[in-house]
Amino acid sequence: QQQVRQSPQSLTVWEGGTTVLTCSYEDSTFNYFPWYQQFPGEGPALLISILSVSDKKEDGRFTTFFNKREKKLSLHIIDSQPGDSATYFCAASAIWGNEKITFGAGTKLTIKP
Amino acid sequence: DAGVTQTPRHEVAEKGQTIILKCEPVSGHNDLFWYRQTKIQGLELLSYFRSKSLMEDGGAFKDRFKAEMLNSSFSTLKIQPTEPKDSAVYLCASSFHWGPYEQYFGPGTRLTVL
Repeated sequence: QQQVRQSPQSLTVWEGGTTVLTCSYEDSTFNYFPWYQQFPGEGPALLISILSVSDKKEDGRFTTFFNKREKKLSLHIIDSQPGDSATYFCAASAIWGNEKITFGAGTKLTIKP
Repeated sequence: DAGVTQTPRHEVAEKGQTIILKCEPVSGHNDLFWYRQTKIQGLELLSYFRSKSLMEDGGAFKDRFKAEMLNSSFSTLKIQPTEPKDSAVYLCASSFHWGPYEQYFGPGTRLTVL
């Protein structure tokens, strides 16, 4: 059972454009939603995260939005740069419960100069 | 601070062999995770330790996969016997149990089973 669904599978954006990645989840106990970024040959690294008590979190060019009612979240990257080319994973966890993280399938992002 | 260390970075095994992958978590972290990453299945949880106690052993991976945490600073993942379908990147991650909840990943071990 896929508890975290991520789309699209791959995406190409021109440099300077805005990238939007989306995820949905099923488990209502999830309350922590991190986004991980992975470059080839490396392990994933935390990019930004949000708790279910918030609906938006911003960190520089990266913003994550959370919609509890619709069980959806998104990652927006403004002024996308070629260095942002990577695979992005959304994830979900029920902290203060079973803290294991459930990952989405990932989106391979390519930023073209 | 040192991050998560994984050795070896690459491993080639013949079908039926036993291989042992190693992981050193970030010092002070309570939780340790082993994942398998493939293009088709994505990131799959193999094992989860909390303060050295095994919390989850990955269900479908139980029969040939065995993770151990001998002390708080070292963990191994044994695959016995290996099969070609085990070819994947194996990732180790660690985190603080009581927050912050960021999982720190190692660079992974790329396993190829012939």
